[in-house]
Amino acid sequence: KNQVEQSPQSLIILEGKNCTLQCNYTVSPFSNLRWYKQDTGRGPVSLTIMTFSENTKSNGRYTATLDADTKQSSLHITASQLSDSASYICVVSAEGFQKLVFGTGTRLLVSP
Amino acid sequence: SQTIHQWPATLVQPVGSPLSLECTVEGTSNPNLYWYRQAAGRGLQLLFYSVGIGQISSEVPQNLSASRPQDRQFILSSKKLLLSDSGFYLCAWSVSGYYEQYFGPGTRLTVT
Repeated sequence: KNQVEQSPQSLIILEGKNCTLQCNYTVSPFSNLRWYKQDTGRGPVSLTIMTFSENTKSNGRYTATLDADTKQSSLHITASQLSDSASYICVVSAEGFQKLVFGTGTRLLVSP
Repeated sequence: SQTIHQWPATLVQPVGSPLSLECTVEGTSNPNLYWYRQAAGRGLQLLFYSVGIGQISSEVPQNLSASRPQDRQFILSSKKLLLSDSGFYLCAWSVSGYYEQYFGPGTRLTVT
C-alpha cells in the first residue's frame, strides 16, 4: 500500500533554532517527492520538488534531502523565524503527477 | 501570472442540503484540475481530477461529484450533504505533463 509517514507529528522550537522534519514513504513506482508548507486555513505552497536522481535541494532557509534507496526524505529549516510556524507536508508522486500520496504533516510552532 | 480562486471561503450547511463549490484558474490554458479534501488531522485526499473539459476522473466513491463546464472552471457538487462531508476542500491546478501542483486558498465546509 502506498503510504507516506511523517515525524514528528508536532514540534515546538525557539526562534532562531534549526530543525529537521522526517518523511518515510512506501510509494512505488517512485516519481518525485515534494515538500509543501501549509499555513493554517490556507492552501499548501510548494517548497521543493525532487526526482529520483536528486538527493538535495534548497529553497532559501529550507533544504530537502532524499535517499531513494531507503525511501526517506528530510526537510531542514535553518535559523527558524516566527513565520515558519505552519504544517509541513511531504508528498510523493507515483505513476505520474495525477497520483499523489500525502503525508499527514508535521505541525511546527516557532516561539519567540 | 497564474492565479487560482475558490469560493466560498467558508460554508455552513445542514445535512441533506445541496452543495456547489467553485474553482477557477486564470493565466493558463488547458490546465489539469484537482479537488482535494483535508479532514482534521488527516492528509489531503484526492477526490477528482480533470485533464480537459468534460473529462472527470473520480478517485474515491462518495457523495460528491465534479464537473468541468469550461476549460478553467472546476465545480464540486453534492445533492445531499452528509456530516462526514465536513472538511477543508482544496482545488489545485497543474500544467499538463509537469510535476508542480498549485493550490487554491480552500473552502472550509461545516455540515451541521
